[in-house]
Amino acid sequence: GQNIDQPTEMTATEGAIVQINCTYQTSGFNGLFWYQQHAGEAPTFLSYNVLDGLEEKGRFSSFLSRSKGYSYLLLKELQMKDSASYLCAVMDSNYQLIWGAGTKLIIKP
Amino acid sequence: IAGITQAPTSQILAAGRRMTLRCTQDMRHNAMYWYRQDLGLGLRLIHYSNTAGTTGKGEVPDGYSVSRANTDDFPLTLASAVPSQTSVYFCASSDAKGPGELFFGEGSRLTVL
Repeated sequence: GQNIDQPTEMTATEGAIVQINCTYQTSGFNGLFWYQQHAGEAPTFLSYNVLDGLEEKGRFSSFLSRSKGYSYLLLKELQMKDSASYLCAVMDSNYQLIWGAGTKLIIKP
Repeated sequence: IAGITQAPTSQILAAGRRMTLRCTQDMRHNAMYWYRQDLGLGLRLIHYSNTAGTTGKGEVPDGYSVSRANTDDFPLTLASAVPSQTSVYFCASSDAKGPGELFFGEGSRLTVL
C-alpha cells in the first residue's frame, strides 16, 4: 500500500529552527509537496520537490532524497505565525496526491 | 479576488437527507477536486475532474457524486447523508500545465446527526 509518515506534533521556540520529516512509500513518484494549514483554514502551497536536493524559499527550505523516500521541511527564524499544521503529499505514478496526516507545529515564545 | 468559493461554510444535517456542497472557481483551472479531512488522517480524495465534462472516482467515493457541467463549477452531492460523512470538505483546483500546485477553498464543515 501507499504510505506517508510524518510526526503528529512538534514543539519549537520562537526564533529557533525546526525540521519536519516526511517518509513515503508510494507506487511511483512524480514529486513531493509541502502545504501549510492554519487551524480552521485551507491548506496553502509551500514547496514542490521533484529532484534530489534542497529548495530554498526565504525562511523555508525543503529537501528531497528519492532513493531514501525521504523529505524534510526546514523552518528558520521561527515566528509565532508559523504555528500551523504542515502537510506532506506525494504525487504517485498515476499523478494522484497521497497525503500524510500532517504535523502540528506549536511555537512557544 | 480570484480563487475558489465554497458554500455553505458550515451545515448540520439530519441523517438520510440530501445535501449539495457548492464549489466555484474563477481561475479557469481545468482540474478540480473534492477532499475530506478528518482528524488524524490525511486529506482523502473523494472525486476529481480533469476537465469540464469528465469526472473520476478518488479514494473514498462511496455515498458521494459530482458533476462538471462547466469549467467553473464542481458541486458535491451526498444523496443520503450518514454520520460517517461528518467531516470538513475541501474543494481544490489546479492548473494542469503546472507542477500540480493545488488551490483550496476555505472548506465546508458538515455535521450529520
